[in-house]
Amino acid sequence: QVQLRQWGAGLLKPTETLSLTCAVYGGSFSGYSWSWVRQFPGKGLEWIGDVTYSGSTDYNPSLKSRVSISGDTSISQISLRLRSVTAADTAIYYCARWQTLAPSIRFFDSWGQGSQVTVSA
Amino acid sequence: QSVLTQPPSVSAAPGQRVTISCSGSASDIGTYYVSWYQQLPGTAPRLLIYDVNNRPSGIPDRFSGSKSGTSATLVITGLQSGDEGDYYCGSWDGSLRLFGGGTKLTVL
Repeated sequence: QVQLRQWGAGLLKPTETLSLTCAVYGGSFSGYSWSWVRQFPGKGLEWIGDVTYSGSTDYNPSLKSRVSISGDTSISQISLRLRSVTAADTAIYYCARWQTLAPSIRFFDSWGQGSQVTVSA
Repeated sequence: QSVLTQPPSVSAAPGQRVTISCSGSASDIGTYYVSWYQQLPGTAPRLLIYDVNNRPSGIPDRFSGSKSGTSATLVITGLQSGDEGDYYCGSWDGSLRLFGGGTKLTVL
């Protein structure tokens, strides 16, 4: 059973860059897309973007200008960088596996434990 | 504001049945399949239902789903105190991965 474990800095100042890493254990890294999702204090979930095992990326248009997601198949890890953070980026950030069973059947089937990121001056 | 619409809260007594609705549009739920996620207090979301009504290994058959047109429904029967938490529907529109705003389930 695949497990995702994530880490990164939890307290940032406005204008700094958020950086998180997620490692994949117990399952194949290849053949999947690996995503970042965040959960705001009010509980809403927002998809940030993902990277495929081959390195292709897809981003939420609302964040595209500030986000970068990369993957390293040799060590089964993905990384998130979000530039120029503000208080509005305060959230719990999760890595997750985006599973595709068929063109119309897609879902997040595994999640990391979450990383609280707080942006405050 | 979430693209998929869920009721903010539902409640029921132990042993009873509860339903949680998720309303979308023709471009998301109307075209693609729905998934449901359970988030117990202090934990990460976990997949509960996928492909409308399929359960991952380990999810009891008390949880089931259905879809009709641009809406989907999660049904929980034999409610237990351990079911208390937040429930989210998910879908996508061919580009964006989408979530509902979440429904807080209270077991009375």
